[in-house]
Amino acid sequence: KAGVTQTPRYLIKTRGQQVTLSCSPISGHRSVSWYQQTPGQGLQFLFEYFSETQRNKGNFPGRFSGRQFSNSRSEMNVSTLELGDSALYLCASSLSQGARYGYTFGSGTRLTVV
Amino acid sequence: TQLLEQSPQFLSIQEGENLTVYCNSSSVFSSLQWYRQEPGEGPVLLVTVVTGGEVKKLKRLTFQFGDARKDSSLHITAAQPGDTGLYLCAGPANAGGTSYGKLTFGQGTILTVHP
Repeated sequence: KAGVTQTPRYLIKTRGQQVTLSCSPISGHRSVSWYQQTPGQGLQFLFEYFSETQRNKGNFPGRFSGRQFSNSRSEMNVSTLELGDSALYLCASSLSQGARYGYTFGSGTRLTVV
Repeated sequence: TQLLEQSPQFLSIQEGENLTVYCNSSSVFSSLQWYRQEPGEGPVLLVTVVTGGEVKKLKRLTFQFGDARKDSSLHITAAQPGDTGLYLCAGPANAGGTSYGKLTFGQGTILTVHP
């Protein structure tokens, strides 16, 4: 079966712009989580959606937002980009209890802010 | 949020050697997961351990969950260049089943296996 698909793979944006990243989970998976990975901070949790509802949110500013559609696809948006937002953004999906049993991650979107 | 500490941070070994990576916490975890990540890719789930004292084997990789469920280890026997990568341990960030997608990750161990 198809894995978790993230688009685009690479993105270069200018400070102040906004960006939207997309994630298609494994078919049947209803939980989608987003993580930011940087060399200095490692993997940090952004938010989790389950059946179109945000169930949990990490400690990121309000410039980071997301949503989930009825087909479980998810998008995350970052407005007013800052240089520090440069990172690998990872999407992960699971049937339900991914935090307990494990997630399938996508290959990520590499965002560079210049 | 429950925290995880991994050691060592870096490992550089020759093909055929054995190695162990440790993942420790002062908190009790309901489960722990191990992932391997290659450059430019997302982490790939290797194993989930759920029961204290549990041992799981995946070919040359052996995973152990501590009896008190506060630590875990990953042992690789006869390492190969294909084992090179970033190894991450992770667990639910909150106790009591309220994590809802939030995993706590260790800082990771960068393993390099030289031919």
